[in-house]
Amino acid sequence: NAGVTQTPKFRILKIGQSMTLQCTQDMNHNYMYWYRQDPGMGLKLIYYSVGAGITDKGEVPNGYNVSRSTTEDFPLRLELAAPSQTSVYFCASSYSGGAEAFFGQGTRLTVV
Amino acid sequence: AQSVTQPDIHITVSEGASLELRCNYSYGATPYLFWYVQSPGQGLQLLLKYFSGDTLVQGIKGFEAEFKRSQSSFNLRKPSVHWSDAAEYFCAVGPMEYGNKLVFGAGTILRVKS
Repeated sequence: NAGVTQTPKFRILKIGQSMTLQCTQDMNHNYMYWYRQDPGMGLKLIYYSVGAGITDKGEVPNGYNVSRSTTEDFPLRLELAAPSQTSVYFCASSYSGGAEAFFGQGTRLTVV
Repeated sequence: AQSVTQPDIHITVSEGASLELRCNYSYGATPYLFWYVQSPGQGLQLLLKYFSGDTLVQGIKGFEAEFKRSQSSFNLRKPSVHWSDAAEYFCAVGPMEYGNKLVFGAGTILRVKS
């Protein structure tokens, strides 16, 4: 079972470049989330979606954008990469707000 | 605002010894509480969760956690640690009625010595 798949696994960006982190899930989950993980800081919610066409900001949305055109996909867009966006990014999904969240394996992004 | 505190950044235990990882939360309503484990280079896996009912919950891999409302705590325990338990452990709390807006603690790194 694929579960939640994130691509790429690693990426190095130069300051000012843009990129899209891809996330897809094959569990027909309504809820999808993007977190970033920084050492010693736990996970911070960037954006989340409760269904196709519906997205909302989390705790740290600045510098990011998302879209949810299908149930399966929830890409995260970085428009102008900054060193502060160096982090590990996790996508997750759940059937509902009260259900277990399933996480992808993460994307390690470095901005230089 | 809700918050989660994991007081121990690192813990080292001997293989076969018992383990307790601490988690304290601040939340105005009845919380939903979770423990996740993250192995190196991997995503997070749910160990156990508490929504309501019995305050002692059992999880996977022999872990359990006890919800103590009076102490605002949800500590994770295991009676006998195995070397494969070495990982980072995250406590999380959230209101689940609208979105999985979990708030995570900073994590505790568990080292197991043989």
